[in-house]
Amino acid sequence: QQQVKQSPQSLIVQKGGISIINCAYENTAFDYFPWYQQFPGKGPALLIAIRPDVSEKKEGRFTISFNKSAKQFSLHIMDSQPGDSATYFCAASIKGSNYKLTFGKGTLLTVNP
Amino acid sequence: ETGVTQTPRHLVMGMTNKKSLKCEQHLGHNAMYWYKQSAKKPLELMFVYNFKEQTENNSVPSRFSPECPNSSHLFLHLHTLQPEDSALYLCASSQALPSSGGVSVHSYEQYFGPGTRLTVT
Repeated sequence: QQQVKQSPQSLIVQKGGISIINCAYENTAFDYFPWYQQFPGKGPALLIAIRPDVSEKKEGRFTISFNKSAKQFSLHIMDSQPGDSATYFCAASIKGSNYKLTFGKGTLLTVNP
Repeated sequence: ETGVTQTPRHLVMGMTNKKSLKCEQHLGHNAMYWYKQSAKKPLELMFVYNFKEQTENNSVPSRFSPECPNSSHLFLHLHTLQPEDSALYLCASSQALPSSGGVSVHSYEQYFGPGTRLTVT
């Protein structure tokens, strides 16, 4: 019930392409869905987040798509750049316990020049 | 220094050693967290402190002992660790409101430090 399943485990994209990372969850009590970006030697940093009352949120080249009925959400990186190469984690938390983030296992994104 | 800092960045210790990890946040936050990050596994929340009080212990073995002397500093004391405890230990902080009726409200955004890479031999 607490799991967040993330795929793919790794992803290679050409510069300028679209990177898509997917996450699925079972617990319908989740009400906050952030994505974190982690570069080697650094801690994760919040990239973008969404609440279930909207189906899409866009910030620059990064977009979260949220499908409440399917219990899935995804991160789209448009015009992917080599500087986007990092590990991406999806996460979710329950209302009232918003500090308890349940993380996916991560996706290693490599953007080739 | 800005953000969340952690020392040391790398640590190698034997199973009989005692060592401590240190975390300091310069963001004026009042909630701090310890996470364990192992390869091919999700980040695992270990401990949460809110206004220096421990509010969460996620079934962590007693060989890990946290300490939070003030809202800016967090320690993780380690003793008699096992090789499977080798991992990246991340500290994070966030804003939080004082507990009311046992319930505290945390800011959604957690700021992470760079981590301590721990190897237990």
